[in-house]
Amino acid sequence: GAGVSQSPSNKVTEKGKDVELRCDPISGHTALYWYRQSLGQGLEFLIYFQGNSAPDKSGLPSDRFSAERTGGSVSTLTIQRTQQEDSAVYLCASSLAGSLGEQYFGPGTRLTVT
Amino acid sequence: DQQVKQNSPSLSVQEGRISILNCDYTNSMFDYFLWYKKYPAEGPTFLISISSIKDKNEDGRFTVFLNKSAKHLSLHIVPSQPGDSAVYFCAASAYSNYQLIWGAGTKLIIKP
Repeated sequence: GAGVSQSPSNKVTEKGKDVELRCDPISGHTALYWYRQSLGQGLEFLIYFQGNSAPDKSGLPSDRFSAERTGGSVSTLTIQRTQQEDSAVYLCASSLAGSLGEQYFGPGTRLTVT
Repeated sequence: DQQVKQNSPSLSVQEGRISILNCDYTNSMFDYFLWYKKYPAEGPTFLISISSIKDKNEDGRFTVFLNKSAKHLSLHIVPSQPGDSAVYFCAASAYSNYQLIWGAGTKLIIKP
């Protein structure tokens, strides 16, 4: 596909379980971003990848959150021991290196922790 | 502490009239500003941007104005169309930092 894709689109999980969220960026985009949007809030930056490296992980809310990117393409955001406050829409975006403005977003994964 | 604020959660405008969406920021290091548009169940899409060396940028029906002294920017949509109904996010960054800081969004409703 031409755009950024994310899977799953919806995820309901029990508190304490681990979840993995996947992002497929646009081919050729070297920069990849993860954001979180809670109800009624703006987007909260989580992590940024340039290629396979994540120079800034400071946005990750806690050590239960981790992310990796392999082959300069697909990225996975993992949340361990999920808590109810983790419920949000997790958005992934990609861009050409240096194109800060034009980040192309996926549709997001809606995570609900019960 | 919200560095980017969109104080109007929603705005209703008659079709054909001008829509004005406002955004205020507090960090004087911000020098690049963007507007994104978001439909339900979709990710945000880039609309228009402006750097701090300019005070206006225009693209078709969309114009962004920047008032650096007031730390205020606005997005004007003229004329407003039903397809413009969406949530609009303002975001800001410093060139030295790739991070975008986002406002909470304004829901624009265009009435026929």
